[in-house]
Amino acid sequence: QVQLQQSGAELAKPGSSVKISCKASGYTFTSYYISWIKQTTGQGLEYIGYINTGSGGTNYNEKFKGKATLTVDKSSSTAFMQLSSLTPDDSAVYYCARDLADWGQGTLVTVSS
Amino acid sequence: DVVLTQTPPTLSATIGQSVSISCRSSQSLLDSDGDTYLNWLLQRPGQSPQLLIYSVSNLESGVPNRFSGSGSETDFTLKISGVEAEDLGVYYCMQATHAPYTFGAGTKLELK
Repeated sequence: QVQLQQSGAELAKPGSSVKISCKASGYTFTSYYISWIKQTTGQGLEYIGYINTGSGGTNYNEKFKGKATLTVDKSSSTAFMQLSSLTPDDSAVYYCARDLADWGQGTLVTVSS
Repeated sequence: DVVLTQTPPTLSATIGQSVSISCRSSQSLLDSDGDTYLNWLLQRPGQSPQLLIYSVSNLESGVPNRFSGSGSETDFTLKISGVEAEDLGVYYCMQATHAPYTFGAGTKLELK
């Protein structure tokens, strides 16, 4: 069955970067886009953007341009999201999703000094 | 950005009761390709969201047929015909017609 396995929780300092992974299995990785979604208690669910896993082409929500960078490694069927210049506002649970039909378990990112 | 307004914010129901959730969009969600990309998701406590319905009324594989979706343009409804205990959680509508994709604030379904 389709599975998206995300990397573990991150504790990061303000100004640093983190890179979250999303390893896919159970389907042809390059046949589906991977989306990334942010969830916070205050802002709810926010769509960050998606990556075309075949071509590597990306589409970002303007709000997250410069903050998130989406990449893929086709050899390992893994999608990545790097978050840079972290601030406390970036503290959230981040999900990857395949076509929004299948979701990873979420990765908690906590930004604190 | 498209704003999706969900009502009610909280819904209390008994097992077996039928309930409806409304989602109103600040813009028409009818795409130029003729499709309307309005989806419904459920997030159970402690779990990731799961897709229930896509493109207004299409049931995702494996989702019980007590769930149904309807609507057009700017007004959409999710109906649960006979709530079961496993249906408790937060329901979100989400649009994928206009960039950036956006979500409603959620409707929490609780047991009365």
